[in-house]
Amino acid sequence: EDQVTQSPEALRLQEGESSSLNCSYTVSGLRGLFWYRQDPGKGPEFLFTLYSAGEEKEKERLKATLTKKESFLHITAPKPEDSATYLCAVQGPKMDSNYQLIWGAGTKLIIKP
Amino acid sequence: DTAVSQTPKYLVTQMGNDKSIKCEQNLGHDTMYWYKQDSKKFLKIMFSYNNKELIINETVPNRFSPKSPDKAHLNLHINSLELGDSAVYFCASSQVAKNIQYFGAGTRLSVL
Repeated sequence: EDQVTQSPEALRLQEGESSSLNCSYTVSGLRGLFWYRQDPGKGPEFLFTLYSAGEEKEKERLKATLTKKESFLHITAPKPEDSATYLCAVQGPKMDSNYQLIWGAGTKLIIKP
Repeated sequence: DTAVSQTPKYLVTQMGNDKSIKCEQNLGHDTMYWYKQDSKKFLKIMFSYNNKELIINETVPNRFSPKSPDKAHLNLHINSLELGDSAVYFCASSQVAKNIQYFGAGTRLSVL
């Protein structure tokens, strides 16, 4: 069964303390892996798409990497405004015309000043 | 201009009532979605729809029905509301080829 697992469920860091979030997946024929950020009371906001093992994407203090079994979201010198829930989703083989995403449960990141 | 907008933002209602949530996207996307997010923040796909095909998650009760008057709108109608329907419902849209989904701000439904 296709599955996405994110860890840890929650992560508390001091401002400036770098760390990584993990997204492991079991899906045959990965077509894409997506990272989203969700702030309280809002909808998920797209961050990155990764398509093949070895690929990396960066945006400000965030860097996403991909292997054949997992993705990491590295956060360098985070600030309090980086506090949010980070969601991972994968797109499997074309099972229907809409390429539905399989979502993880998210990691809640809290950055203390 | 908000790309994906849904109304209302909050909806409080009694068990057994029928309610609708509206969604509109101005991105020109060809596919729209409805998700349910439970208290543990897990996003569950309910429906995906483009102008050709409606895909229904088989676990969604048939009390839920999507209605699309045109390509830019996908409304969610819920009959005979139950306590377990309380959740946040998100609308999203994408171009199917890229599948980067853009989400609305959510509708928090509370069934009393």
